[in-house]
Amino acid sequence: GESVGLHLPTLSVQEGDNSIINCAYSNSASDYFIWYKQESGKGPQFIIDIRSNMDKRQGQRVTVLLNKTVKHLSLQIAATQPGDSAVYFCAEKAGGYQKVTFGTGTKLQVIP
Amino acid sequence: DGGITQSPKYLFRKEGQNVTLSCEQNLNHDAMYWYRQDPGQGLRLIYYSQIVNDFQKGDIAEGYSVSREKKESFPLTVTSAQKNPTAFYLCASKYGPQNTEAFFGQGTRLTVV
Repeated sequence: GESVGLHLPTLSVQEGDNSIINCAYSNSASDYFIWYKQESGKGPQFIIDIRSNMDKRQGQRVTVLLNKTVKHLSLQIAATQPGDSAVYFCAEKAGGYQKVTFGTGTKLQVIP
Repeated sequence: DGGITQSPKYLFRKEGQNVTLSCEQNLNHDAMYWYRQDPGQGLRLIYYSQIVNDFQKGDIAEGYSVSREKKESFPLTVTSAQKNPTAFYLCASKYGPQNTEAFFGQGTRLTVV
């Protein structure tokens, strides 16, 4: 597969523990924030999004928190599994437009 | 099956040559995107298109060109003006302005030899 995570920040988590992946964003005008998961050699896959007027949203085993005061976004993964090992990207969508920009990503390594 | 297809998966180019990467989707999505991915730098937006016959520059458009003559197709040309073209290129599409889920292709690895 493709090595896209050579220099990315890495988070190592024991299987079964919770993971927290953080992201700082820059554009106060973004109307949505999105998390993607990218496995080696593949394109990113959508995980969950949150609208800018919300501060928390939950999905299956995942929770996204948004703190607009400090422009911070986090993804929490409960009971981390080996299949969660991947690179995780946050992205933001410009309000009213289709432009979507991505952060630098975090590599999650799950230790069995 | 509906989806987004990039071709080829691997592409080699000689210095000074232009090369075109293909991206086709049959999802009836309005918006399409091209991103470049280098190790340690995440995904950087090259160009995007919100509707047919319209496209906008992203953050790193220099040395690239696109067209959007059909809703289904958004080819990317890497020109000889792009000084460091070796990278992994990802195409994506999504439905409308209020929709956030973008669907990505499998990517094209371009190598300049």
